[in-house]
Amino acid sequence: NAGVTQTPKFQVLKTGQSMTLQCAQDMNHEYMSWYRQDPGMGLRLIHYSVGAGITDQGEVPNGYNVSRSTTEDFPLRLLSAAPSQTSVYFCASSFTVGQAAGYTFGSGTRLTVV
Amino acid sequence: KNEVEQSPQNLTAQEGEFITINCSYSVGISALHWLQQHPGGGIVSLFMLSSGKKKHGRLIATINIQEKHSSLHITASHPRDSAVYICAAPSFGNEKLTFGTGTRLTIIP
Repeated sequence: NAGVTQTPKFQVLKTGQSMTLQCAQDMNHEYMSWYRQDPGMGLRLIHYSVGAGITDQGEVPNGYNVSRSTTEDFPLRLLSAAPSQTSVYFCASSFTVGQAAGYTFGSGTRLTVV
Repeated sequence: KNEVEQSPQNLTAQEGEFITINCSYSVGISALHWLQQHPGGGIVSLFMLSSGKKKHGRLIATINIQEKHSSLHITASHPRDSAVYICAAPSFGNEKLTFGTGTRLTIIP
């Protein structure tokens, strides 16, 4: 089925470990973004990309890296996991930004850092 | 940054009731998004609107650009409507969305 695929669904990391959250879409969407969702807070933008080779920081980028080598994939890398990065992470994509763009979200990754 | 506030935070209603969820934002925008987050955690985009009203089934979204206010209405509510409803508005251009904290809706049979 077409959509946004996120892997893994669940992950437990030890403090200091690194890992990559995968996000792939097959809708030829130009815009992709990563959010984290914490209790009592709205979704917050980590990083986003408006096309292959172009990335930019969102509201909470510290401790995370991204790259966009292809239109389809937008992985999120945790460089050295910290307990403060325990959260639910969502990847989203849209055809473009602007008035006509609706978002498609992945199913989320629940990350726990111990 | 666009400040986005939703009310109420929690809403419990009986099946069949008319539901209204409100969203206010601080900075003029080109379009506002309404999303639904299922109890299992998945997020679905419901509406994106820049003026007036949009309708999809029993869901109606309205926006008043001058008042910087939007509402999401659900007619003839049903237990399957139980979810968290989230509004989001662009900040710093259309590439960045600021999300409200959501309204948790519970419909009792």
